[in-house]
Amino acid sequence: DGGITQSPKYLFRKEGQNVTLSCEQNLNHDAMYWYRQDPGQGLRLIYYSQIVNDFQKGDIAEGYSVSREKKESFPLTVTSAQKNPTAFYLCASNPTGFYEKLFFGSGTQLSVL
Amino acid sequence: AQSVTQPDIHITVSEGASLELRCNYSYGATPYLFWYVQSPGQGLQLLLKYFSGDTLVQGIKGFEAEFKRSQSSFNLRKPSVHWSDAAEYFCAVGAGGGADGLTFGKGTHLIIQP
Repeated sequence: DGGITQSPKYLFRKEGQNVTLSCEQNLNHDAMYWYRQDPGQGLRLIYYSQIVNDFQKGDIAEGYSVSREKKESFPLTVTSAQKNPTAFYLCASNPTGFYEKLFFGSGTQLSVL
Repeated sequence: AQSVTQPDIHITVSEGASLELRCNYSYGATPYLFWYVQSPGQGLQLLLKYFSGDTLVQGIKGFEAEFKRSQSSFNLRKPSVHWSDAAEYFCAVGAGGGADGLTFGKGTHLIIQP
């Protein structure tokens, strides 16, 4: 079945540690996105990529980094510079990047130890 | 810049009753409007979208929404809710172009009473 796979489902970060969240899609979609979701808040865009080897900052990119070396993969690294990383992280994709249906993964809950 | 307001943080509805979730947007031109649903600990699923044309749009799971330009609203409705409809609902608005331009509301948590 085609879809987006995020792993792990739960992740814990120690102080000063970088952690990487995985996002893989087998939908052959060009565009991929990372969102952060906090309780009682909407989704906020962290980074997005519309093509391999290219990505753009979203609204809250500080303290995060991404790469897009392969079409199907868009990992997100939460760096030690992100002082409040506890949140639910959602990865999404769509076929061309324009206004079409967004497909979402099932998310990763990141917590700080 | 566009914005979205979902005035109700929580809504409780009895099973079998009708439902209306409110969404108001701010945008200078004709917006692209979406409703998404999120079950606990899961990603979002698109219920329906409005780009142009008929202002009453039908979606999945028996949901519909009506675009009212004069009221800057895009309210979601369902005639009879089921316990499985309990979830978080998000309205989103876009200015056209890439999905990087989508702005999400803060969500409405729907509780279904037996």
